[in-house]
Amino acid sequence: GQQLNQSPQSMFIQEGEDVSMNCTSSSIFNTWLWYKQEPGEGPVLLIALYKAGELTSNGRLTAQFGITRKDSFLNISASIPSDVGIYFCAGPDTGRRALTFGSGTRLQVQP
Amino acid sequence: NAGVTQTPKFQVLKTGQSMTLQCAQDMNHEYMSWYRQDPGMGLRLIHYSVGAGITDQGEVPNGYNVSRSTTEDFPLRLLSAAPSQTSVYFCASSQDRTGRGNTIYFGEGSWLTVV
Repeated sequence: GQQLNQSPQSMFIQEGEDVSMNCTSSSIFNTWLWYKQEPGEGPVLLIALYKAGELTSNGRLTAQFGITRKDSFLNISASIPSDVGIYFCAGPDTGRRALTFGSGTRLQVQP
Repeated sequence: NAGVTQTPKFQVLKTGQSMTLQCAQDMNHEYMSWYRQDPGMGLRLIHYSVGAGITDQGEVPNGYNVSRSTTEDFPLRLLSAAPSQTSVYFCASSQDRTGRGNTIYFGEGSWLTVV
């Protein structure tokens, strides 16, 4: 199946800082999804991207669908303590009609 | 997470025991799937179903069985639990093909420990 490589693995930042994380694949994806998971909860969709080059925002979050269709970026501006969690990129596994997930970026924000 | 219900929330099993994780959705979704989440590895697909009576294997199917006798339910069975199956399990359902990610709903997870 397809694999997604996500980096960085973890980040520890100060409140107010901007955050950037990315996801790459060796194969083309037609959709890129970004999820956030908080402790004890399931993943919650943050942003969905459907076209190469697309730039989409959701509040302080901005995600981009790479032109090559093999990467995507998520930026968080002016981080706050409630941004703490694990952020996953995901894309549809065309062979299985389910999602392939990256390994996640664990974000910690110090007030 | 409204609409996808997983039970139990927590379970401890002894090696060799069998059990079933239940998943139910009330949104009339055709597509349902089971993932496991291990530290540092994201979510990996175990089994999935594209409709009642149809199931198929995902990335890590060994040691698990599924069935889909109704649209609403998609139970995951551990046949003979092993410590390697200690993980957090998530059930998900979706309205249509996963190309439209905003239709995918996850349950709250089931924490399973095998000792």
